[in-house]
Amino acid sequence: AQRVTQPEKLLSVFKGAPVELKCNYSYSGSPELFWYVQYSRQRLQLLLRHISRESIKGFTADLNKGETSFHLKKPFAQEEDSAMYYCALRGGTDKLIFGTGTRLQVFP
Amino acid sequence: EAEVAQSPRYKITEKSQAVAFWCDPISGHATLYWYRQILGQGPELLVQFQDESVVDDSQLPKDRFSAERLKGVDSTLKIQPAELGDSAMYLCASSFGTSGGLISYEQYFGPGTRLTVT
Repeated sequence: AQRVTQPEKLLSVFKGAPVELKCNYSYSGSPELFWYVQYSRQRLQLLLRHISRESIKGFTADLNKGETSFHLKKPFAQEEDSAMYYCALRGGTDKLIFGTGTRLQVFP
Repeated sequence: EAEVAQSPRYKITEKSQAVAFWCDPISGHATLYWYRQILGQGPELLVQFQDESVVDDSQLPKDRFSAERLKGVDSTLKIQPAELGDSAMYLCASSFGTSGGLISYEQYFGPGTRLTVT
């Protein structure tokens, strides 16, 4: 079965603290993973994808096939990072299979 | 910058009534997706079009939901009759897909239509 699990509904940190949003997946083939973000009153948008191996807004995510994980990390959180974050897996027909999301709150 | 457009943004309807949502994808995007997002959950695919053809509608409740993309451009999602459990955010997304040997799977999302069924 194709599934994405985000165990934390809410993650609260103070500005400057490290952040790690957890994502685990289940997929029988070669996975393609994404992180999407939704800021308040904005539409869902792509943050980063594992094949790009890039850092966007200071966030990185490494695909760990052994642990079937794709955790999102940032060393120093900023208040503007407060948003809803969704981990997603690309399925067979290119559809996205989303996790339930984690709300990140960064306090000043 | 081109964006996916959806209307209406909000819809309140009574149980057993019919409701329709419209989506206009980014120009040139061959693939169009309709997702449903229930409160507290992630988006879930209802139907996927490649041009005017349905690629995946395995999660579409076909007894009450229908979707069309007649000219391969904009799309309409209809619910008839609406039920209380249909209350959710309905998201449309589009991607370039595969065309002329080029492939781009990045999906661009619209603002969504929030449906409340009373």
